Amino acid sequence: LAKTTQPISMDSYEGQEVNITCSHNNIATNDYITWYQQFPSQGPRFIIQGYKTKVTNEVASLFIPADRKSSTLSLPRVSLSDTAVYYCLVGDNAGGFKTIFGAGTRLFVKA
Amino acid sequence: KAGVTQTPRYLIKTRGQQVTLSCSPISGHRSVSWYQQTPGQGLQFLFEYFSETQRNKGNFPGRFSGRQFSNSRSEMNVSTLELGDSALYLCASSLPTVTGYEQYFGPGTRLTVT
Repeated sequence: LAKTTQPISMDSYEGQEVNITCSHNNIATNDYITWYQQFPSQGPRFIIQGYKTKVTNEVASLFIPADRKSSTLSLPRVSLSDTAVYYCLVGDNAGGFKTIFGAGTRLFVKA
Repeated sequence: KAGVTQTPRYLIKTRGQQVTLSCSPISGHRSVSWYQQTPGQGLQFLFEYFSETQRNKGNFPGRFSGRQFSNSRSEMNVSTLELGDSALYLCASSLPTVTGYEQYFGPGTRLTVT
């Protein structure tokens, strides 16, 4: 499983765009990049997943450069309710799930 | 479609007792994983079941065990509870053909050991 490195915490204000970068230098060819969001006392929620280039859904965008050694989760126009922990995971499900969550990034959105 | 459900939501047990937690995955999902979350250790992978077989296991003592039934429902058991087992236990399910780590988590069971 590729090791990931994310900032421990980030602050933002309502209405701003937030970009959280994750480093994964030893990403393997078959690995996908997946991001989760977690609120206190709740289970993580799948946000977005990608393999290369850019992926966008109704919640976020995921930017992956050509070398795939990093990825950036972009949250457009954040609100107070986006205050949460965001986890970046790298891997595939060959042989089943053996998910290793890191410490994640604590995002604080201020009014 | 109903999400992942976990029962009970809250549980208080005494040190030395055993506990069984239940997880019902999303319909059609055959993989079920269990996680332990504590403030100190974060989210830690316990084990994963697929088609009634344990496919992966994390670094937890043998007191932690699980099983999966033919309808994909899963249970995890913790025997001889210790104070350090107090945690939020999360279950996640996924489709068999998905790539990457697209899992859907339940609300968790909050276990308190006194």
